[in-house]
Amino acid sequence: GESVGLHLPTLSVQEGDNSIINCAYSNSASDYFIWYKQESGKGPQFIIDIRSNMDKRQGQRVTVLLNKTVKHLSLQIAATQPGDSAVYFCAETGSTLGRLYFGRGTQLTVWP
Amino acid sequence: DVKVTQSSRYLVKRTGEKVFLECVQDMDHENMFWYRQDPGLGLRLIYFSYDVKMKEKGDIPEGYSVSREKKERFSLILESASTNQTSMYLCASGRTSGGGELFFGEGSRLTVL
Repeated sequence: GESVGLHLPTLSVQEGDNSIINCAYSNSASDYFIWYKQESGKGPQFIIDIRSNMDKRQGQRVTVLLNKTVKHLSLQIAATQPGDSAVYFCAETGSTLGRLYFGRGTQLTVWP
Repeated sequence: DVKVTQSSRYLVKRTGEKVFLECVQDMDHENMFWYRQDPGLGLRLIYFSYDVKMKEKGDIPEGYSVSREKKERFSLILESASTNQTSMYLCASGRTSGGGELFFGEGSRLTVL
């Protein structure tokens, strides 16, 4: 089956620094990828998505990069703030329509 | 504002009890999902549904069942709760066509004693 993984379970950064969270996926047929943010005690919330016909997409302070050659996805957060502290999940569509396959998550901690 | 609502944020049940977790979405989505979230294991799919009265097993369906009698409502049922079902349960909904994000509820934290 599909497998989505993250390289590091935890990441600590200083406030104001840029953060990079990585994710590897196994299904080369996946055509949609998404990043979620989950704050403590809440459900996951959409951050940004990207389709396989793109290699980069930018949002407000966030950028997602997709490298289909090595099946790698990353989330970049510019000028990280304490409010960015959360668990970040990557997900891909895989082979089952409508279903998302999730990675295990990276806990981002931002220090003042 | 789109919404997925889970009926209970916190539940405490005893081993062997029957447990119902209810989820309602107001976005007219075809797909609904139940995930379980445990530390270090991420989100694992229990069951999902593409339409009313339809259900599909996810990766960890054992010990669970589901019901979808109406499009907006998807229930997760633990017929006989066990301590290893203590977890955070997340409901989500989304559209079938075109790929796209899932919208999540706030979660239901279940403790089985």
